[in-house]
Amino acid sequence: NAGVTQTPKFRILKIGQSMTLQCTQDMNHNYMYWYRQDPGMGLKLIYYSVGAGITDKGEVPNGYNVSRSTTEDFPLRLELAAPSQTSVYFCASSSRDSGEKLFFGSGTQLSVL
Amino acid sequence: GESVGLHLPTLSVQEGDNSIINCAYSNSASDYFIWYKQESGKGPQFIIDIRSNMDKRQGQRVTVLLNKTVKHLSLQIAATQPGDSAVYFCAETISGGSNYKLTFGKGTLLTVNP
Repeated sequence: NAGVTQTPKFRILKIGQSMTLQCTQDMNHNYMYWYRQDPGMGLKLIYYSVGAGITDKGEVPNGYNVSRSTTEDFPLRLELAAPSQTSVYFCASSSRDSGEKLFFGSGTQLSVL
Repeated sequence: GESVGLHLPTLSVQEGDNSIINCAYSNSASDYFIWYKQESGKGPQFIIDIRSNMDKRQGQRVTVLLNKTVKHLSLQIAATQPGDSAVYFCAETISGGSNYKLTFGKGTLLTVNP
């Protein structure tokens, strides 16, 4: 049981480039989330999904897009990367059984230069 | 709006001492609280949770205390060990919702000195 798997672990982008952060979970969780963590700060919710085909904005969605075509996968797309998107990105999942107990991936460290 | 904050951004303790990490929350409607531990280079891991109908909950070496009157949450770690060194986050939410969104505090860095 791998849990929540994120790829890549590290990435450097140039301003204006785009990329997709991958997230997959093998726990059959309905709910999936993307958070960003800036240095010395807590986690801010970017987008979340309550099931396949359903996504919704979180606290800081601007500059990002998501899709949820399957229960397992929840990729985060960055279009036209900006330095303000330099951060560590965490994907998480939970289920109706686990409720608010989120299970996190190990994170993707992204630098936009 | 909602906010969750911490009184102390850093805490340094000696191995074997007890640690207390504090958290203040401002949303009086929040009724479910979680503590997460984040080790360097890793994602947050669930430690312990508490619902608003309780004021204390104990786990293995950890205890969470909830004071709803002053909207304060604390995490107590007994006999702190070097492996406890990490950033600790409190998170709050209103349970029973359809999306289980959590609001996180900024975190406290706990350093355990041998």
